Amino acid sequence: NAGVTQTPKFQVLKTGQSMTLQCAQDMNHNSMYWYRQDPGMGLRLIYYSASEGTTDKGEVPNGYNVSRLNKREFSLRLESAAPSQTSVYFCASSERTATDTQYFGPGTRLTVL
Amino acid sequence: AQSVAQPEDQVNVAEGNPLTVKCTYSVSGNPYLFWYVQYPNRGLQFLLKYITGDNLVKGSYGFEAEFNKSQTSFHLKKPSALVSDSALYFCAVRLSYGNNRLAFGKGNQVVVIP
Repeated sequence: NAGVTQTPKFQVLKTGQSMTLQCAQDMNHNSMYWYRQDPGMGLRLIYYSASEGTTDKGEVPNGYNVSRLNKREFSLRLESAAPSQTSVYFCASSERTATDTQYFGPGTRLTVL
Repeated sequence: AQSVAQPEDQVNVAEGNPLTVKCTYSVSGNPYLFWYVQYPNRGLQFLLKYITGDNLVKGSYGFEAEFNKSQTSFHLKKPSALVSDSALYFCAVRLSYGNNRLAFGKGNQVVVIP
């Protein structure tokens, strides 16, 4: 099993450009999450999906949109990137709820110039 | 506000010495508490969790954590640190709202000195 995979690994954008971060899991998990990691701030939840077809805002959703395409895939879209969105983005999944063990992808390092 | 605090930025410990990483929490209701570890350029990995029962929880790689309700703490411990334990450690707590979301602390960098 590959676990949780994310693409791309690295990305540089100019302010105002758009992009989609892709995430897929092969563990048949119901819940999926997008976090951002910034130095000294830990992980902050952007959006999550408790099941296929549902999505909810997390702590820092502004400037982002998500799509739970199917049970396996959960994408994060930046419509108009801003320098404040420079961060490392992690996708995670868990079997049912957040209190089940979360499995994390390797991360995407995004720089917005 | 519901949250988790990791008061130290960095913990330095000599190889072979006991390692402690501190975590305190503030949450409504019964706390569900977690520790995750992040090695360089990797995603987070689950170490252990407390849901209910015995206050001493044992986890992966020889780590354990003690839940202390009166002090609202959940400190991570290892009796004898290894150089390979050098990593970023995150404490997390389940929030009582938002479909069982987790709130993560800011993380503690652990440096084990050979």
